[in-house]
Amino acid sequence: AQSVTQLGSHVSVSEGALVLLRCNYSSSVPPYLFWYVQYPNQGLQLLLKYTTGATLVKGINGFEAEFKKSETSFHLTKPSAHMSDAAEYFCAVSDWRDAGNKLTFGGGTRVLVKP
Amino acid sequence: DAGVTQSPTHLIKTRGQQVTLRCSPKSGHDTVSWYQQALGQGPQFIFQYYEEEERQRGNFPDRFSGHQFPNYSSELNVNALLLGDSALYLCASSPTRDTQYFGPGTRLTVL
Repeated sequence: AQSVTQLGSHVSVSEGALVLLRCNYSSSVPPYLFWYVQYPNQGLQLLLKYTTGATLVKGINGFEAEFKKSETSFHLTKPSAHMSDAAEYFCAVSDWRDAGNKLTFGGGTRVLVKP
Repeated sequence: DAGVTQSPTHLIKTRGQQVTLRCSPKSGHDTVSWYQQALGQGPQFIFQYYEEEERQRGNFPDRFSGHQFPNYSSELNVNALLLGDSALYLCASSPTRDTQYFGPGTRLTVL
């Protein structure tokens, strides 16, 4: 079975400051890893994903994440927060053997950006 | 290219009633998955359809059932609604072995 833990259900950052959202996973097989963002009253939008290859993955809106197998982590960062980054962020994992790519999500981290 | 669409956007039901939610996948996507997102939580996998068959199922009771049509669109049915079924229901589509893309969701309120 797979599981995802997101440390911190709420994060507050100042505009222009570093955004760091933490994600740790548990998986018995090499995972595929994802970050999704959810704006109020909307569905989930894919920010970035790791499947194989380079462990530093760049996504949309200036976000990036690094897969660290030894730490079972996939933390999301953005060097400079913008007001439009206020949203909820979800880390998710899937099993590469799964043809359907079923996702297991963490509980989410809500980001507040202060002016 | 239209993304994943879901209908209705919102609906309100009373306990014991039945509800049907609909999803149209992105063009070229043959797999449809359904997730339930309770308030303040991450989405939880309900089931997945491929080639008109249920391929995988999460830990949800038999009151939750679904269907996939030849054009890959899908329905989620919930019988004997409970207050705890109030949630945002998300549909996601994907090609086989590829990334899932989500629709805007249907907000179900059970009174």
